[in-house]
Amino acid sequence: RKEVEQDPGPFNVPEGATVAFNCTYSNSASQSFFWYRQDCRKEPKLLMSVYSSGNEDGRFTAQLNRASQYISLLIRDSKLSDSATYLCVVNVGISNFGNEKLTFGTGTRLTIIP
Amino acid sequence: GAVVSQHPSRVICKSGTSVKIECRSLDFQATTMFWYRQFPKQSLMLMATSNEGSKATYEQGVEKDKFLINHASLTLSTLTVTSAHPEDSSFYICSVYSGVGYEQYFGPGTRLTVT
Repeated sequence: RKEVEQDPGPFNVPEGATVAFNCTYSNSASQSFFWYRQDCRKEPKLLMSVYSSGNEDGRFTAQLNRASQYISLLIRDSKLSDSATYLCVVNVGISNFGNEKLTFGTGTRLTIIP
Repeated sequence: GAVVSQHPSRVICKSGTSVKIECRSLDFQATTMFWYRQFPKQSLMLMATSNEGSKATYEQGVEKDKFLINHASLTLSTLTVTSAHPEDSSFYICSVYSGVGYEQYFGPGTRLTVT
């Protein structure tokens, strides 16, 4: 089983629609969770951290279900600029210097259609 | 978030040559930097953790003698791909640990093509 699994998509969604992505992780000891977005041939950029209570940032809402080891991202009122690959990222283990090592899912590709 | 730069952004080299990639943290001192590799349509894979003033920690399966990492200062880490081969062609990305909430910020990446 992969450490972090995502539906690769692609998701082709009309502008203004709501879209949801899911992600599952295998290590029950994971503590930190993130969503990054990656544009074609660019570096990943942090979209938002995911907190146990769930959190919202504008049109974006992230949820965490520890019991099911499941993370979600909801995008409301989608814009053309939301087209990107969305990466689910989970911490796995602790490096020698106490910093967390991150494991990335393969990403879900989203295309917003005008 | 932290500002991270990488140089060069793109490099094409012949098989057997060595290539050095620089990663700089521009607006804060980074004790730890990370090096990742991403092949087309695949996820980012952590190669090594670069620690200032000490040896890098490599992930399983990554050859430390082939991918030399030097983290000589709090703002600069370098990755040298020695005796590069076509299978080393990839997108190499560094990141900086922000020190807040375990978030990492990424450099713009270096696209290496070995012919």
